[in-house]
Amino acid sequence: EVQLVESGGGLIQPGGSLRLSCAASGFTVSSNYMSWVRQAPGMGLEWVSIIYSAGNTYYADSVKGRFTISRDNSKNTLYFQMNSLRVEDTAVYYCARLYVGSDWETFDLWGQGTLVTVSS
Amino acid sequence: DIQMTQSPSSLSASVGDRVTITCRASQTINNYLNWFQQKPGKAPKLLIYAASTLQSGVPSRFSGSGSGTDFTLTISSLQPEDSATYYCQQSSSGRTFGQGTKVEIK
Repeated sequence: EVQLVESGGGLIQPGGSLRLSCAASGFTVSSNYMSWVRQAPGMGLEWVSIIYSAGNTYYADSVKGRFTISRDNSKNTLYFQMNSLRVEDTAVYYCARLYVGSDWETFDLWGQGTLVTVSS
Repeated sequence: DIQMTQSPSSLSASVGDRVTITCRASQTINNYLNWFQQKPGKAPKLLIYAASTLQSGVPSRFSGSGSGTDFTLTISSLQPEDSATYYCQQSSSGRTFGQGTKVEIK
């Protein structure tokens, strides 16, 4: 079955660090473009990061310099290292596969999400 | 950054009604426009990609149209299971989502 399963969320104090994992099955993470999208409680969706199959990475300004996206090809797993966490980083974090066509792209596969709560 | 504005923010309609949600981009995005459905506590689900292509497995009552800056998601005959929040998303430059439209059943 093609799926993504996130883990690693939890309660963390401001300034702390957390690493999220996203285990993929049914397809190869390293051959695809993979993203993290977050959703603060009661709010809309916010794209935060992407890693391309070639390995280049990009971030939203809101997390640049604090968060790092990476992957472990041997484990077929995507990661999101989150440092210097702020209260405003509180959200459900989704990993998603970005499927690219000839002149379009879309998030066609999503994980179930993992909740990160930043609070003292 | 490209801003995406959806309207209305919420709507209430009856089963069988035709429902239309609009999404406007702050600059032209060609057809780099996707629509997602999200139910409470669940991950978003892809409905429409490339502005008008129906994702496999999505009921045919859902359709998308538009190009450039103005786009529409239409539900031709609203069903109880369509109660959800709908998001548009552009991927022409960066990736940004609209603020969402909550659809409720009367």
